[in-house]
Amino acid sequence: AQKITQTQPGMFVQEKEAVTLDCTYDTSDQSYGLFWYKQPSSGEMIFLIYQGSYDEQNATEGRYSLNFQKARKSANLVISASQLGDSAMYFCAMRVPGAGSYQLTFGKGTKLSVIP
Amino acid sequence: EAGVAQSPRYKIIEKRQSVAFWCNPISGHATLYWYQQILGQGPKLLIQFQNNGVVDDSQLPKDRFSAERLKGVDSTLKIQPAKLEDSAVYLCASTPGSGAYEQFFGPGTRLTVL
Repeated sequence: AQKITQTQPGMFVQEKEAVTLDCTYDTSDQSYGLFWYKQPSSGEMIFLIYQGSYDEQNATEGRYSLNFQKARKSANLVISASQLGDSAMYFCAMRVPGAGSYQLTFGKGTKLSVIP
Repeated sequence: EAGVAQSPRYKIIEKRQSVAFWCNPISGHATLYWYQQILGQGPKLLIQFQNNGVVDDSQLPKDRFSAERLKGVDSTLKIQPAKLEDSAVYLCASTPGSGAYEQFFGPGTRLTVL
């Protein structure tokens, strides 16, 4: 079974500062994908970044980067130069290929609050 | 390109009543997912469709929940009868195919069961 653990229920960061949101995962599969989604108060899940288990380079998308440490089974999200609009829930998720199914298993999320 | 559409956005019902949610995925997306997100938790997959067939419904409480995607496009999720613990946000997502890695989510339907 797959499991995602996000140990930070809430985080505060000063505007324009960088912040790291933690995520650890557990799976016995060798092939898997790791995702981060943002969920504003409006409720929609917004895809941020993806890292494949065989990718050697850490993924980056604009101000988002994923610090992938395979041996430690961690996939932390780094947001650089935080903005007020970054205040939201952030979810780490893992996808493991199954029998025709590519389900996402989500963590419990971290609530990020950006302080002006 | 239009995103995933869901309706209604909010619904309040009494326990033991019935409720239905509707989802229209992104045009051309073959795979559709329904998730349940209870307050304070991450989304949990209820059911996955590939076109009009069910790929996985292992976590769907089939004694009260049902879902269909008859023409392989839009989908409905029904709860009958509702329980207090069904209060949650129900999210619909779609992908072009089952192997695609990014799931596109709709705005969700927030259900409150009194």
